[in-house]
Amino acid sequence: DAGITQSPRYKITETGRQVTLMCHQTWSHSYMFWYRQDLGHGLRLIYYSAAADITDKGEVPDGYVVSRSKTENFPLTLESATRSQTSVYFCASSESWVAGSYNEQFFGPGTRLTVL
Amino acid sequence: GNSVTQMEGPVTLSEEAFLTINCTYTATGYPSLFWYVQYPGEGLQLLLKATKADDKGSNKGFEATYRKETTSFHLEKGSVQVSDSAVYFCALSGSDSNYQLIWGAGTKLIIKP
Repeated sequence: DAGITQSPRYKITETGRQVTLMCHQTWSHSYMFWYRQDLGHGLRLIYYSAAADITDKGEVPDGYVVSRSKTENFPLTLESATRSQTSVYFCASSESWVAGSYNEQFFGPGTRLTVL
Repeated sequence: GNSVTQMEGPVTLSEEAFLTINCTYTATGYPSLFWYVQYPGEGLQLLLKATKADDKGSNKGFEATYRKETTSFHLEKGSVQVSDSAVYFCALSGSDSNYQLIWGAGTKLIIKP
């Protein structure tokens, strides 16, 4: 199916475990983003990528690792999960990015992660 | 720095009521402004946008006007439906945003039949 998909949709894990959230897009968009959504905080950018093998930190990168070996995939890894990382995680993609201009981002359905 | 402030929710209205969700922003220069909508259990999707002062974005009966003088981008709809129940996010893309959209906290809208 065309679009942007995330897996798993729901995940429960324990403190200290490593968890990887997957994101796949079929549009060949250059830019990809990872956000977390928490009540009262809106969306906060964790990491973004401008192209394969190019990634950079967003607002809240601590405790997370990303990679982008292929344009269509952008996995997010929690190296040692903590309870504060319980959240809903959204992946998004954008065809282009020009500062100050219209840059629509297309979002996946999200992954609800619970860290016990 | 850039920021977006939205009215707190939840906002509860009856079907066919008039809707306003307030959004104000702080930014240097001339940012682009957006409203995104998140339906229950789904990701966010773009509802409407405006890229310069006095632009009016519109979609699905929703409208918002880019007001430079009041730094606002309020979302309005003349007659809401139960299917409009969702969380609405205001966001901006500034000239110095460095790949980021700056998001408001979101406003939950509940429409009762």
